[in-house]
Amino acid sequence: AQSVSQHNHHVILSEAASLELGCNYSYGGTVNLFWYVQYPGQHLQLLLKYFSGDPLVKGIKGFEAEFIKSKFSFNLRKPSVQWSDTAEYFCAVAYGDMRFGAGTRLTVKP
Amino acid sequence: SAVISQKPSRDICQRGTSLTIQCQVDSQVTMMFWYRQQPGQSLTLIATANQGSEATYESGFVIDKFPISRPNLTFSTLTVSNMSPEDSSIYLCSVQTAAKTEAFFGQGTRLTVV
Repeated sequence: AQSVSQHNHHVILSEAASLELGCNYSYGGTVNLFWYVQYPGQHLQLLLKYFSGDPLVKGIKGFEAEFIKSKFSFNLRKPSVQWSDTAEYFCAVAYGDMRFGAGTRLTVKP
Repeated sequence: SAVISQKPSRDICQRGTSLTIQCQVDSQVTMMFWYRQQPGQSLTLIATANQGSEATYESGFVIDKFPISRPNLTFSTLTVSNMSPEDSSIYLCSVQTAAKTEAFFGQGTRLTVV
């Protein structure tokens, strides 16, 4: 069965620092990959997704992610975080159904 | 895109009772799912709601506890039966495009069992 691993449970950064959140999945077939964000008290929002083509995908709010098939990874990046990026970030993999990683809580200090 | 209406948005229920959550989608979709998000945790797939047949449950979830109906391609219900405080959670309805390139989520139902 497919599974999704997010390496960091809680990340604390200062504003303007660079961000990289790790995500690995275990399924060997063709999958679609997603990153979602959940701001405090709000519902899930799609940041970006990958299903084919250029493995470097750009999403909203300056986020991007790189799909590395050989590493089964789909890491999320942002060059310079803002206080408003404080939220929970979920990596998800879809094959048939959608499975979520445990989530990474990002706290950005002003 | 798909717009999902989920209700109730929140409820406080007594232990031992049952609550039925409704999910209405504005377009016909093949794939519809129910998730649970416990406090401070990620989303866990409860089951896939199949139109015209019994839902497909994930490990740890059973039909007696979480009966699901899906009478047509735009509507589904999830019932949380014989509730206990451990069932306090957010329950989310989700649909996916046929190509699985996007998923849409309802606003969720925040359930508190006292």
